[in-house]
Amino acid sequence: QQQVKQSPQSLIVQKGGISIINCAYENTAFDYFPWYQQFPGKGPALLIAIRPDVSEKKEGRFTISFNKSAKQFSLHIMDSQPGDSATYFCAASKGSTLGRLYFGRGTQLTVWP
Amino acid sequence: NAGVTQTPKFRILKIGQSMTLQCTQDMNHNYMYWYRQDPGMGLKLIYYSVGAGITDKGEVPNGYNVSRSTTEDFPLRLELAAPSQTSVYFCASRTPAGAQETQYFGPGTRLLVL
Repeated sequence: QQQVKQSPQSLIVQKGGISIINCAYENTAFDYFPWYQQFPGKGPALLIAIRPDVSEKKEGRFTISFNKSAKQFSLHIMDSQPGDSATYFCAASKGSTLGRLYFGRGTQLTVWP
Repeated sequence: NAGVTQTPKFRILKIGQSMTLQCTQDMNHNYMYWYRQDPGMGLKLIYYSVGAGITDKGEVPNGYNVSRSTTEDFPLRLELAAPSQTSVYFCASRTPAGAQETQYFGPGTRLLVL
């Protein structure tokens, strides 16, 4: 049973465009929602994270939008660049589970120059 | 700081063989994790540890064992390898809980069981 559902599976965006990846969860006990970026042959690396007490968090070109009532959160990449081409994973955890992360299945992003 | 290091990078095992995947971190993190990544499936937690001498099962622990004798090391043991264990294995360690908590991942070990 997938605790975090992620879409789309793959995404192709032109350079300069906006990339949007969506995630949904069911467990209302989740209180930490990170996004990880993974390049081929490498381990995932934390990109940006949010907690449910805010509806949006922005770091440079990356923004998380969080909708607590809909149990959804999304990653927006503004001005997408070819160097952003990677696989992106959303995840969720709850404070009682000692940092255990539940990952979405990933989105492979390709940014065309 | 080397961060999280894993060895080997790649290994081929025959069915029924055993091996240990090594993981070391130099950030003095108490929390460490083992994940496996299968194509199109995201990462699944195998085992985790909250400190030396303390380990617990994750979502997919069957066929694996772990130990944690020191803060730095968290090896993963595969006994009687099966083709279903063909995967990429990632070790991670985590900063203390809080607003900036972060899991740092190693580069992974690619395992092929034939």
